Amino acid sequence: AQTVTQSQPEMSVQEAETVTLSCTYDTSESNYYLFWYKQPPSRQMILVIRQEAYKQQNATENRFSVNFQKAAKSFSLKISDSQLGDTAMYFCAFMKPYGQNFVFGPGTRLSVLP
Amino acid sequence: DGGITQSPKYLFRKEGQNVTLSCEQNLNHDAMYWYRQDPGQGLRLIYYSQIVNDFQKGDIAEGYSVSREKKESFPLTVTSAQKNPTAFYLCASSIDGASGLSYNEQFFGPGTRLTVL
Repeated sequence: AQTVTQSQPEMSVQEAETVTLSCTYDTSESNYYLFWYKQPPSRQMILVIRQEAYKQQNATENRFSVNFQKAAKSFSLKISDSQLGDTAMYFCAFMKPYGQNFVFGPGTRLSVLP
Repeated sequence: DGGITQSPKYLFRKEGQNVTLSCEQNLNHDAMYWYRQDPGQGLRLIYYSQIVNDFQKGDIAEGYSVSREKKESFPLTVTSAQKNPTAFYLCASSIDGASGLSYNEQFFGPGTRLTVL
């Protein structure tokens, strides 16, 4: 069974600075998909970024980028120019091909400080 | 606007009662999911359905039941057999639950907070 680990329960960053959230996973699959979701205080889950394991290029979405290290089974999220609205829980998620569901990590609570 | 709605937002239940949480989507998605969220544990899958009139147990299905009579609707019943039902419940949907395509992200509803009195 796949597992997803987020080793940082809580993090904080100053506004306009850069922060990196860690995620590691365990799988025997060679092809799969990885996601970062954001859950702000409203508790609405929002997709931040996705990565296909067969793509070597790291995904980027505006201020959000990932560092995907397939051999190390690592999928970290970098947030540049942090904004107050980035304050949220961040969940890393794994999905295998033809999979019926995601496996979520326990989450990292990020606070952006003014 | 397309999206997923969940009702009610807050729900209180007395011990021994069954309660049903509603989830409706107008995204024309085939697959729907129910997750439970507890502090420090992320999201855990309760049930999922890839097609109308079919559903499968997730990791923590005991004490819960679902139905999928319509594509748009996937209600979750929390039965009295669920010993610790107080939690935040999230419903999600995706275009196709089994295609394995990268765009097969899950879209989430706003959630229901269930509290047992």
